[in-house]
Amino acid sequence: DTAVSQTPKYLVTQMGNDKSIKCEQNLGHDTMYWYKQDSKKFLKIMFSYNNKELIINETVPNRFSPKSPDKAHLNLHINSLELGDSAVYFCASSQEVDGYTFGSGTRLTVV
Amino acid sequence: AQKITQTQPGMFVQEKEAVTLDCTYDTSDQSYGLFWYKQPSSGEMIFLIYQGSYDEQNATEGRYSLNFQKARKSANLVISASQLGDSAMYFCAMRDRAAGNKLTFGGGTRVLVKP
Repeated sequence: DTAVSQTPKYLVTQMGNDKSIKCEQNLGHDTMYWYKQDSKKFLKIMFSYNNKELIINETVPNRFSPKSPDKAHLNLHINSLELGDSAVYFCASSQEVDGYTFGSGTRLTVV
Repeated sequence: AQKITQTQPGMFVQEKEAVTLDCTYDTSDQSYGLFWYKQPSSGEMIFLIYQGSYDEQNATEGRYSLNFQKARKSANLVISASQLGDSAMYFCAMRDRAAGNKLTFGGGTRVLVKP
């Protein structure tokens, strides 16, 4: 049973489209995150939610909007996709004593 | 703000030999946690080892050990008896308690194990 699952695994879409990536964790963790890994493999935090409350919003364009309907889910919606949005997006969850668990990533390609 | 530096962009290691991956960090926090992750070519992020700033002993997990030198602000990962399956990107990361417990990552080191 996957601990942190995100869908889809691959997403190819045209510029200007709107798309969503879904993330679910079954670990009972209170905090969930979205990270972006660029083409040079650099990983950077985008958002963090704790018990459905937004904690971190790191200078991300407002075309990116996270939504957390409950503490087990954190979805990422992206409006008006641009070529520069192409990256791998990782969802993760954490609890103090458990550390961090990452999803398998979503490779987004904007053409 | 916290900063993690991995100065080795890539390295080769002979199978069965040990390899040390460098990681230095900068923080003003007294309490912090350091993590190492492995990312194989398949892309997933695999947790390897954790070191707390107040842990007196260096962390070990199987073939992985962490050489923690607090005064020098370094947390190097040592992989012993390298295997072909160790070929991957390796990331050092630090938990930022003051910023929602986010992980700040270094730029990564690509390791290629030669047979």
